[in-house]
Amino acid sequence: DQQVKQNSPSLSVQEGRISILNCDYTNSMFDYFLWYKKYPAEGPTFLISISSIKDKNEDGRFTVFLNKSAKHLSLHIVPSQPGDSAVYFCAASVWGGSEKLVFGKGTKLTVNP
Amino acid sequence: KAGVTQTPRYLIKTRGQQVTLSCSPISGHRSVSWYQQTPGQGLQFLFEYFSETQRNKGNFPGRFSGRQFSNSRSEMNVSTLELGDSALYLCASSFAVNTGELFFGEGSRLTVL
Repeated sequence: DQQVKQNSPSLSVQEGRISILNCDYTNSMFDYFLWYKKYPAEGPTFLISISSIKDKNEDGRFTVFLNKSAKHLSLHIVPSQPGDSAVYFCAASVWGGSEKLVFGKGTKLTVNP
Repeated sequence: KAGVTQTPRYLIKTRGQQVTLSCSPISGHRSVSWYQQTPGQGLQFLFEYFSETQRNKGNFPGRFSGRQFSNSRSEMNVSTLELGDSALYLCASSFAVNTGELFFGEGSRLTVL
């Protein structure tokens, strides 16, 4: 039973264009969502987060949107750069619970020069 | 500031053996979590420690155990290894609990033959 789903295993975009990575969740108890990025042979790195009281959070080129009614969130990267090529994981948790994150299986983003 | 350090980075064991993995968190971080990453299941939460106490445990059999020491360093142990235990084991630390913003190590790659 996958509570956090990233339905696109891979995504390829051109440098300078927008990258949109999607994530769906099923557990309505989740109220805190995060994106992590992972390069080969490295551990995941925290990218950006959003709590359920917001519907948007921005940090530089990265914006996360949350649609609670649809149980859907997305990560927008604008403009995309070749250095953004990595695997992106969506994660969710119950705020105030613990560091127990439920991860999606990841989307491999390739940004072509 | 040094990152999360995991040892050993790679190890090979045979079925039935046991293994101990070590994690040194970032200095000042008191929360340590462990995750298992496999191609089929993705990243799955194992357990979380704070101030030497286990705060939460994932859905893994009792063969998986862990502990945290007074200096926040943590170890996890897997006894009676099975082929399916082959995975990348990731340790993550955070300054406080309930942040979700974890700092991951590079992982310990376990192969069970």
